[in-house]
Amino acid sequence: EVQLLESGGGLVQPGGSLRLSCSASQFSFSTYAMGWVRQVPGKGLEWVAAIGGSDTSTYYADSVKGRFTISRDNSKNTLYLQLDNLRAEDTALYYCVKHSGRIAAREVFDYWGQGTLVTVSS
Amino acid sequence: EIVLTQSPGTLYLSPGERATLSCRASQSFTITYLAWYQQKPGQAPRLLIYGASRRAAGIPDRFSVSGSGTDFTLTISRLEPEDFAVYYCKQYVGSSWTFGQGTRVE
Repeated sequence: EVQLLESGGGLVQPGGSLRLSCSASQFSFSTYAMGWVRQVPGKGLEWVAAIGGSDTSTYYADSVKGRFTISRDNSKNTLYLQLDNLRAEDTALYYCVKHSGRIAAREVFDYWGQGTLVTVSS
Repeated sequence: EIVLTQSPGTLYLSPGERATLSCRASQSFTITYLAWYQQKPGQAPRLLIYGASRRAAGIPDRFSVSGSGTDFTLTISRLEPEDFAVYYCKQYVGSSWTFGQGTRVE
């Protein structure tokens, strides 16, 4: 069974930074695009970022473009999300998602992790 | 950006009843690029149906989708107790994915 385990969440002040990690197992990590989706507790889902399997293509929601950076280390089966210049509205549970294919575009999220909570507050 | 609007916000039904959930898009696209996800309290969302009629692994055939253009529907033919949850539609037309705000089935 595919496993996605997020870590790195926590409390950070506005303007601060965090790096989230997602450790993947039980599938060929480099073969699939990966991404991040966030959810304010009790609210809906918002796609954040995606990266192709080969690491050459990255995509971002307008709300995080220029502040967040998605990356991956295929040798470690790990996905990352660097969160910089954080704002209160970035407070959410961040889910790591596996795409159904390699290229990211036009793909569904077929597996989800359990999420890591990011709280931005002074 | 394609905006998805789901209705109703909450659907009040009993086990055995039929559930019809609506997802309306701000721009027309093919149902091929519409997916539905289910989320239960305290759990991560899980993929239900995508690609017009493809069910994710383990999803029973009481779940079906229909629609075209800007109006799409998820139908649960006979509600089972485990189906009471929040359902999200999502478009994946390109490389920018958007979700509807969700419909809660209670």
